[in-house]
Amino acid sequence: QVQLVQSGPDLKKPGASVKVSCRASGYTFTSIAMNWVRQAPGQGLEWMGWINTNYGTPTYAQGFTGRFVFSLDTSVSTAYLEISNLQTEDTAVYYCARSWGGFDHWGQGALVTVSS
Amino acid sequence: QSALTQPASVSGSPGQSVTISCTGGGSDIGGPYNYVYWYQQYPDKAPALIIYEVNKRPSGVSHRFSGSKSGRTASLIISGLQAEDEANYHCKAYTTNMTWVFGGGTKLTVL
Repeated sequence: QVQLVQSGPDLKKPGASVKVSCRASGYTFTSIAMNWVRQAPGQGLEWMGWINTNYGTPTYAQGFTGRFVFSLDTSVSTAYLEISNLQTEDTAVYYCARSWGGFDHWGQGALVTVSS
Repeated sequence: QSALTQPASVSGSPGQSVTISCTGGGSDIGGPYNYVYWYQQYPDKAPALIIYEVNKRPSGVSHRFSGSKSGRTASLIISGLQAEDEANYHCKAYTTNMTWVFGGGTKLTVL
């Protein structure tokens, strides 16, 4: 069965970087796009962008350019989200979700907390 | 791209029907695509797809969930409300800029 398993929670100081992983199984990783979605505490969902898992080309939503980088390691069917120069407002749960007739499978979410 | 507009909360009694609206603009819900989706999210859990392409249900989703669209507003209708339906609901639409946009989310309370 399809599974997306994300890395665990992380606590970082402002200005640091974090890399969230999303390991896929149960399907051909390179055949379905991967999206990243942010959910700040008590807030709604925010689409951050997506990465073409066949070509590795990322597309970033408005507001997620510059400090946010999507990448892949297709040898281990894993997508990554790296955020640099973390700010306190980056505190959120970050989800990966594949696109197949909607975002049909989601990772369990990775909580990133930014605090001094 | 501005978020789609959803009511912050709705409520209903068991057995009743409730409708959650999702209003956008001419470049998303009112645009040329029938790409409107609804997700159900329980507290501290990942969202789950319950409606795709306006009114289609994925396998395994209860027939009590249905969707529609008129103009710039999409709706999620939940009939025969049950206690287990108490959750947050998020709409999502595709835009003419080839991006996705979510609504702010609606908390459904079953009285």
